[in-house]
Amino acid sequence: DGGITQSPKYLFRKEGQNVTLSCEQNLNHDAMYWYRQDPGQGLRLIYYSQIVNDFQKGDIAEGYSVSREKKESFPLTVTSAQKNPTAFYLCASSTKMTGTTQYFGPGTRLTVL
Amino acid sequence: GESVGLHLPTLSVQEGDNSIINCAYSNSASDYFIWYKQESGKGPQFIIDIRSNMDKRQGQRVTVLLNKTVKHLSLQIAATQPGDSAVYFCAENTDNAGNMLTFGGGTRLMVKP
Repeated sequence: DGGITQSPKYLFRKEGQNVTLSCEQNLNHDAMYWYRQDPGQGLRLIYYSQIVNDFQKGDIAEGYSVSREKKESFPLTVTSAQKNPTAFYLCASSTKMTGTTQYFGPGTRLTVL
Repeated sequence: GESVGLHLPTLSVQEGDNSIINCAYSNSASDYFIWYKQESGKGPQFIIDIRSNMDKRQGQRVTVLLNKTVKHLSLQIAATQPGDSAVYFCAENTDNAGNMLTFGGGTRLMVKP
């Protein structure tokens, strides 16, 4: 898991509630990412940030929001507008260089009840 | 659009045998490739990477082969162990994509004792 932590590991939420997933890294990486993974599926990019106070939508940003106020932190909020939020959420970080590895956190499994 | 894919969704091998996991890519501009291992309920873990100016790279019990002519990437695991059971993803980076990666769908490796 490197120097990336995600919390909580498991999260339960009632329909209609917003929930925020934490992601912290101590690798001094400029870039951070959020991915969603559904059972038996690959990774889909939700949001990414290349630098503090800036972020970009990925392929499936609808119903999600992020902030990047600190280099070390990139929290993801799953809003009530997300129609199917139950999934495994993965945070990653990397340098900004082309051709660089992304390192992943341990993930948060979100279940909507 | 261009994407990274895998030939076999599930691979079952006997403990002690060698495993070969394959990945096809369609973007000829891709110049950096990574293999990740993901155990159940955990985040993807970096295994090995290779750049397009190489055709082979070896790690501890793992070898990645790159055939740019046919746009094919493979991961070879020597003397497969039960602890190797996981889903393996390939990912690619193209120079004009900066530090963004495109992930394949994954292959599940099952090791039989």
